[in-house]
Amino acid sequence: SQQGEEDPQALSIQEGENATMNCSYKTSINNLQWYRQNSGRGLVHLILIRSNEREKHSGRLRVTLDTSKKSSSLLITASRAADTASYFCATPGLDYTDKLIFGTGTRLQVFP
Amino acid sequence: GAGVSQSPSNKVTEKGKDVELRCDPISGHTALYWYRQSLGQGLEFLIYFQGNSAPDKSGLPSDRFSAERTGGSVSTLTIQRTQQEDSAVYLCASSLGPSGPYEQYFGPGTRLTVT
Repeated sequence: SQQGEEDPQALSIQEGENATMNCSYKTSINNLQWYRQNSGRGLVHLILIRSNEREKHSGRLRVTLDTSKKSSSLLITASRAADTASYFCATPGLDYTDKLIFGTGTRLQVFP
Repeated sequence: GAGVSQSPSNKVTEKGKDVELRCDPISGHTALYWYRQSLGQGLEFLIYFQGNSAPDKSGLPSDRFSAERTGGSVSTLTIQRTQQEDSAVYLCASSLGPSGPYEQYFGPGTRLTVT
């Protein structure tokens, strides 16, 4: 299976703390994306990082990519209760089509 | 502007019945994707449309599943002779395409329950 894996599977933290989620994938990629899902329904795109980038920031989000290790991390700084959600990394299919292969996801719970 | 819409939001059907799920992508998005999410399998790709053609159907789990897209816009996913293992949330997404990579915009999903 091409599916990537994320760890931890679940993470519980207090508001104000930082949350770090890791993603490992199996194939060569030209980009990696992170998505958030609330309540098991639609996904929301957070950030896209290309294979020639090592780090990218968006607001309180910081994503790193290490193509030599086939891994990425998502850091959420100063977390809020509203950040409670599942977070997924996604990579392109083997043929570099735009279809996405999703990781297993990390369930983040932020307590007020 | 309007996002991706899907209908129905919930569908309960009896085993053996056919169902149709609809997706209305963002206007101007030429790429459209169907995924499904279930407890046991996570998020799985089903089929990809570029315009009205489907260059990648590799994720359709069986020949009971089919999809079409007309006018480069609305898409319908049809499941024939539904089985209990078809129970899942079916998600549709659209994006600018094909010269990506682009972010995908997801609809709220259709929760299908086969009894």
